[in-house]
Amino acid sequence: SQKIEQNSEALNIQEGKTATLTCNYTNYSPAYLQWYRQDPGRGPVFLLLIRENEKEKRKERLKVTFDTTLKQSLFHITASQPADSATYLCALSGGATNKLIFGTGTLLAVQP
Amino acid sequence: GAVVSQHPSRVICKSGTSVKIECRSLDFQATTMFWYRQFPKQSLMLMATSNEGSKATYEQGVEKDKFLINHASLTLSTLTVTSAHPEDSSFYICSARDPAGRGTEAFFGQGTRLTVV
Repeated sequence: SQKIEQNSEALNIQEGKTATLTCNYTNYSPAYLQWYRQDPGRGPVFLLLIRENEKEKRKERLKVTFDTTLKQSLFHITASQPADSATYLCALSGGATNKLIFGTGTLLAVQP
Repeated sequence: GAVVSQHPSRVICKSGTSVKIECRSLDFQATTMFWYRQFPKQSLMLMATSNEGSKATYEQGVEKDKFLINHASLTLSTLTVTSAHPEDSSFYICSARDPAGRGTEAFFGQGTRLTVV
């Protein structure tokens, strides 16, 4: 069955450092991979989308890579700030339907 | 970006009663909306795809008679949890994409915290 796994443990980093989050998937060939941010008690908010034929995408302090051979995406936040503390979710879509399937999520805590 | 509004944000109901949750796309038309459920410290689990003017498509293991979905217009989908029980207590979130399609971002409602007592 399809599986989308992210760092299971919470990620604690110091302010100013780069946070790197991992998304691995199996039994899936997504055409698109997206990253979302979710704060407690709120719905997810879109951050970045990357297509299967793209290796890397950047937006301000965010960078996403997509390796379809390794079936993995890495999400980087450079110069991290305490305000970046949240749960980050990767999501895949593609195939016959336009369903968006989410990974397990990683809780990021940026310490001042 | 597009706005999706969900109502109510919180609801407490007695066991055995039914609860209706509304999801509206405020500034775009959504032929398809998605309903998710999220348990504490877990990810979003897709429950069903709501299709305007036709039957919803449910994910495996989701009881369609328990979670009734109606998508009567291009801007409104409703999820009714029928005969709710404490195990139905969860965070329910809807989403829609503008424009519709596999390669577009999804916009989410604020979520509904359902507590069944």
